[in-house]
Amino acid sequence: GIQVEQSPPDLILQEGANSTLRCNFSDSVNNLQWFHQNPWGQLINLFYIPSGTKQNGRLSATTVATERYSLLYISSSQTTDSGVYFCAVGEDGATNKLIFGTGTLLAVQP
Amino acid sequence: EADIYQTPRYLVIGTGKKITLECSQTMGHDKMYWYQQDPGMELHLIHYSYGVNSTEKGDLSSESTVSRIRTEHFPLTLESARPSHTSQYLCASSETDYNEKLFFGSGTQLSVL
Repeated sequence: GIQVEQSPPDLILQEGANSTLRCNFSDSVNNLQWFHQNPWGQLINLFYIPSGTKQNGRLSATTVATERYSLLYISSSQTTDSGVYFCAVGEDGATNKLIFGTGTLLAVQP
Repeated sequence: EADIYQTPRYLVIGTGKKITLECSQTMGHDKMYWYQQDPGMELHLIHYSYGVNSTEKGDLSSESTVSRIRTEHFPLTLESARPSHTSQYLCASSETDYNEKLFFGSGTQLSVL
C-alpha cells in the first residue's frame, strides 16, 4: 500500500517563528488532507489539498502531486499552534480511505 | 465547523465487559469512519461505511464491530473488552461529493483494566 512519511518528526519553535512541514507519499493520490491534533486530542481539518496551493490565515499548504509531496507552512507561530500535524492521503483508484502519516510534533514556546 | 459527536469521552472498564462507543453526526454525511490511535502514533482505519446498511473493515484488523442503521449514527461495539483494546477511538465523517473533507469527533479514550 501507499506509504506516507512526514518530516521533521519533532519541531520546537519560538513564538513568532515560521516553519515548513513536509509530507512525502509513495504513489499517486486523489485526496490529501492536513490535520492539527491539539494537546486534548481533537483533530481539526486544516486543508483538503490534493493539488495546488491554499491559504487560510497564517497557514498555507502546497501539494505537488506529480512529485508526490505536500508542504504545510506556518507563519508567525503562536503557542496555540502546538500539537501534532498529520498529513493523510487517499490512494488513486482506491475508495476514500485516508492513510495517515506518523505526524510532526510541534511545540511553540512563548 | 463539523457537528460530529462521540460519547463517552473517557471510559474505564474491566476485562470481559461489552461496550458500545457512540458516534453521531448531524451533517447528513453518507460516509463515516472509525480510526484507532495509540498515544503518539498515527491513526489507523478500523471500519468504514458508505451509507445505511453498508459497513466494511479497514486496514487495521479489529475485534470490534459496527452497524449503520441510520445515516447519522455509527456505533462501535466490543463484545468482550480486553486490555489490548486500550486506545483512543476516533469517529469521522465526510461528504460523498468531490470535496471529501474529513471531520472528526472528539474521540473516546478507552482503558480496559
